[in-house]
Amino acid sequence: QVTLRESGPARVSGTETLTLTCTVSGVSLATSEVSVSWIRQPPGKALEWLARIDWDDDRAYAARLQTGASGLHISKDTSRNQVVLRMTNLDPMDTGTYFCAQMIYGHHAYELWGQGTLVTVSS
Amino acid sequence: SVLTQPRSLSGSPGQSVTISCTGSATDVGRSSYVSWYQQHPGKVPKLILFDTYKRPSGVSHRFSGSKSGNTASLTISGLQAEDEADYFCSSYAGRNDVVFGGGTKLTVL
Repeated sequence: QVTLRESGPARVSGTETLTLTCTVSGVSLATSEVSVSWIRQPPGKALEWLARIDWDDDRAYAARLQTGASGLHISKDTSRNQVVLRMTNLDPMDTGTYFCAQMIYGHHAYELWGQGTLVTVSS
Repeated sequence: SVLTQPRSLSGSPGQSVTISCTGSATDVGRSSYVSWYQQHPGKVPKLILFDTYKRPSGVSHRFSGSKSGNTASLTISGLQAEDEADYFCSSYAGRNDVVFGGGTKLTVL
């Protein structure tokens, strides 16, 4: 059974770097076609896809965030079976619940989700 | 949000409701990778449809999907009280990007 669990700070300031960790159990991140994404949801608002990393280290980022001031970086540590998301240039609008989710590879759909971690960004 | 959904819809038990998700030629219009998620308050999103109309194992046959042009649709038939939730669509938008809709709050009267 595959499970995902997010962890990270509950509160950060805009000058800090937000580091979120997704610990995956039940499947190795090095297994072919395993792909994990980060998706966030501001309170009471819509989901927003942020980034994805595949088993072969291929990465993708939301186009809208690449053109703005957001500094987004996704990586993985296969030895710890963790996916890490780092965000810089934070704004209070980055406040929300951050989910990691496993993609049905090649279908851009997310069937397995972590419980999410709520992050509040202060200015 | 990139994809447009009605903010709210309502229906009575037993009825059918259809939620639309309108995008553009660069996302919904060109992709069969449209997904739908159901989210109850305070809960994690649940995938109910992918590839426009496919249901993951365990998802009720009351949920069905379709697409025409730049608009995808989710139809829930035989509406039940437990269907009251927020529904989000998503679509592959090319260049490894995924976009979501603004969400629809479904109320079962």
